[in-house]
Amino acid sequence: KAGVTQTPRYLIKTRGQQVTLSCSPISGHRSVSWYQQTPGQGLQFLFEYFSETQRNKGNFPGRFSGRQFSNSRSEMNVSTLELGDSALYLCASSLEVGNTIYFGEGSWLTVV
Amino acid sequence: GENVEQHPSTLSVQEGDSAVIKCTYSDSASNYFPWYKQELGKRPQLIIDIRSNVGEKKDQRIAVTLNKTAKHFSLHITETQPEDSAVYFCAVDPPGNTGKLIFGQGTTLQVKP
Repeated sequence: KAGVTQTPRYLIKTRGQQVTLSCSPISGHRSVSWYQQTPGQGLQFLFEYFSETQRNKGNFPGRFSGRQFSNSRSEMNVSTLELGDSALYLCASSLEVGNTIYFGEGSWLTVV
Repeated sequence: GENVEQHPSTLSVQEGDSAVIKCTYSDSASNYFPWYKQELGKRPQLIIDIRSNVGEKKDQRIAVTLNKTAKHFSLHITETQPEDSAVYFCAVDPPGNTGKLIFGQGTTLQVKP
């Protein structure tokens, strides 16, 4: 069974630009969540989607948004990029809410 | 909201020794506690988890213990090997089916050959 797949793996953006990251969950998994990982702040929850609905959102500004499609694939978008948005963005999926979550390899975003 | 504290932040042991990492949490209604291992440049991988109706769980050299009264849980690695060197994160699933995990700050474990 294929794991959680994230694209792109690496990207460099300029301040003020926007970025879209994509995530394909494990087949059959309906819950997709996103986390930001930085050396200083650790792993922080961004948002979680289930059946195309955002069920929970972390403490991030409105520049961070996401969505989930009917096939459970998910995207997250960051607009008006800031230097501090440089991080590893991890997508995770689980069968249902409350089950074990499995992470993808992440998308490394560098903002210059 | 839920708060998770993880200690120590770094841990260095000799190969063959045991390693223990401890996490404390604040919400007594939390009921799921996974541990993830993250090697450099890789994804966090689940290594063991425990639910609140169980006090201890073991998988070969790895064990997790949960003390609900004191609101802490610990990861125990016995007979450590160099390949155990990584960053370990504890996490807590807060009550209410939120779909999110609250992570500890991580422990960098170095196993010296």
